[in-house]
Amino acid sequence: QKEVEQDPGPLSVPEGAIVSLNCTYSNSAFQYFMWYRQYSRKGPELLMYTYSSGNKEDGRFTAQVDKSSKYISLFIRDSQPSDSATYLCAMSDYSSASKIIFGSGTRLSIRP
Amino acid sequence: EADIYQTPRYLVIGTGKKITLECSQTMGHDKMYWYQQDPGMELHLIHYSYGVNSTEKGDLSSESTVSRIRTEHFPLTLESARPSHTSQYLCASSEARGAYNEQFFGPGTRLTVL
Repeated sequence: QKEVEQDPGPLSVPEGAIVSLNCTYSNSAFQYFMWYRQYSRKGPELLMYTYSSGNKEDGRFTAQVDKSSKYISLFIRDSQPSDSATYLCAMSDYSSASKIIFGSGTRLSIRP
Repeated sequence: EADIYQTPRYLVIGTGKKITLECSQTMGHDKMYWYQQDPGMELHLIHYSYGVNSTEKGDLSSESTVSRIRTEHFPLTLESARPSHTSQYLCASSEARGAYNEQFFGPGTRLTVL
């Protein structure tokens, strides 16, 4: 069983829709939770970072962590065509924070 | 401008050739990493380094080797390329202070071994 599970999609939604991306994980030691965005032919770039449980908002993006359910989410409001990319969840534990475990990514397409 | 660079961006090579994938960063970071990414799959850590003369193998077994002679440079070498090495290779770097540090990724090298 993978430590991090992510629905690969692809997910296609119309412009302006609210997008929900999710990951589940099995390692209860994970403390750091990240969402990376990867455009085609580019490296991943950090979008959101959360420590432990709770919500974090940054503009149109909201990251949620529910450690009791081992479930994390990324919400995108008022989605734009420029949000079309692959979104990777990632996480690590305190003892090896440099070693990040990545999900397989969800491919998102926003239709104009 | 501080950045992380990878060359070549694309490489097509025959079986048995020796190749070196270059990675350089001008961000002043001590930690550097190499990941392997296949389409629709997770990034897998294959090598990392905490500083000059420090190299460690990652979680995914790899036949590649790395060196860290200069802080800004972290090349990856395959002595004898095989079709099973066909993949995208991503280099990343991060600071070394604190429990968590953001990893910054290069654009990747897409390797195809015929």
